[in-house]
Amino acid sequence: DAKTTQPTSMDCAEGRAANLPCNHSTISGNEYVYWYRQIHSQGPQYIIHGLKNNETNEMASLIITEDRKSSTLILPHATLRDTAVYYCIALIKAAGNKLTFGGGTRVLVKP
Amino acid sequence: DTEVTQTPKHLVMGMTNKKSLKCEQHMGHRAMYWYKQKAKKPPELMFVYSYEKLSINESVPSRFSPECPNSSLLNLHLHALQPEDSALYLCASSHTNLGENYGYTFGSGTRLTVV
Repeated sequence: DAKTTQPTSMDCAEGRAANLPCNHSTISGNEYVYWYRQIHSQGPQYIIHGLKNNETNEMASLIITEDRKSSTLILPHATLRDTAVYYCIALIKAAGNKLTFGGGTRVLVKP
Repeated sequence: DTEVTQTPKHLVMGMTNKKSLKCEQHMGHRAMYWYKQKAKKPPELMFVYSYEKLSINESVPSRFSPECPNSSLLNLHLHALQPEDSALYLCASSHTNLGENYGYTFGSGTRLTVV
C-alpha cells in the first residue's frame, strides 16, 4: 500500500470548515483513499473513501486531485465533537486486506 | 446491528495469568482483525482472519493466540504477557464482497494492563 503523509496537528475554529490534507504521491491505480478518525479512547471510525471522483456523505467531503497524488478531507462545519486524530490511508479494496495506519493528523476544534 | 462489541472493556492481568479478549459482530462480515494500540501511537495490525481462517499474522509473539470459532466471533488468548504488552486492543470487521465499500468497523477496544 502507498505511503501517505499528513500534517502532525492542526487547529480549527468551531463552526468553520476544516480542511485536512493528505499526500499519497506513490498511490497506484487500484488503491483507494480512505479516511478514518479516532476520538480519544474510542475505536477508529470510518469517514469516507474514494478512488478518483470527489465524494460526499453526511460526515464529510473528499476531494482527490486529478493526478491522485493528494487529497483533502473537508469537515464542512467543525464541532467540538470532531476533535480527533484523522488518518488518511491508501488501500487496495480486497477481502481481508491490511488497513495500515500512519501517524495521522491530530485535529483540535476550538470554541 | 452495526456494531463490533468487545469484552471486557478493561482488563488487568498478571504476567503468569491466562486471559482472553472477545470480539463479536453480527453484520455478516467475514473478515475480522486484531489491532494493538499504544498510547499516542496509531493502531498496529496484529492478525487478519478471512472466512474464519487466519490469513495474516504480523509476526506477533506466540504469547498472543488468536481464534475465530465462527463467523461472528473472534478471540485473542493471552498468556505470559509482559508489562510492555499493556495497550488498547482493538477488534475490527469488514465485508469481503467486492460490491461493498470495505469500510472497517472497529470496536471500542479492551484496555489491557499487565502487572
